[in-house]
Amino acid sequence: NAGVTQTPKFQVLKTGQSMTLQCAQDMNHEYMSWYRQDPGMGLRLIHYSVGAGITDQGEVPNGYNVSRSTTEDFPLRLLSAAPSQTSVYFCASSYSFASNQPQHFGDGTRLSIL
Amino acid sequence: AQTVTQSQPEMSVQEAETVTLSCTYDTSENNYYLFWYKQPPSRQMILVIRQEAYKQQNATENRFSVNFQKAAKSFSLKISDSQLGDTAMYFCAFRDDKIIFGKGTRLHILP
Repeated sequence: NAGVTQTPKFQVLKTGQSMTLQCAQDMNHEYMSWYRQDPGMGLRLIHYSVGAGITDQGEVPNGYNVSRSTTEDFPLRLLSAAPSQTSVYFCASSYSFASNQPQHFGDGTRLSIL
Repeated sequence: AQTVTQSQPEMSVQEAETVTLSCTYDTSENNYYLFWYKQPPSRQMILVIRQEAYKQQNATENRFSVNFQKAAKSFSLKISDSQLGDTAMYFCAFRDDKIIFGKGTRLHILP
């Protein structure tokens, strides 16, 4: 099993550019989520999805969009990149929401906004 | 909104000692789940232990155990006989319909 696959692993953008971080899982997981990790801030939830066609905002959703057209894919879009969005981004999935099933994490995307 | 607080940004202990990492959370829900994750320098997120709020018995996994105090909304992690490989960031996480993490505790195991 590939698990949770994030692409790209590294990206450098200029302020104002847009881009999409890709996340795919092959475990038929209902729940998927995006986090950003910054020094001293832990992992902060950006958006999450409890199933195909359903998305909701997390703790820090501003500046990001998501969609969930299939069970497998959960892309994260930066509409107009800002230096404050420089971070490491993690995608995660689990079998279902509101359960004791742990999340499976991707390897992360290191994003730098100049 | 749910919050998770880890009050110890950084800790150091000698190898073979026991260490306890604290975590408190705030919620009005009665049914939820709690997790501890470990993040070594490789940046991988690794599940350490989990606890269901409806279970009174504290979870244990080999050298790792928790002290779950539901009324106090406390969920501490105890690592016994600590090893050099335990050096990592440790995150406490709370789950109802979404999963929220604390800011983490950086743990150093000293030889």
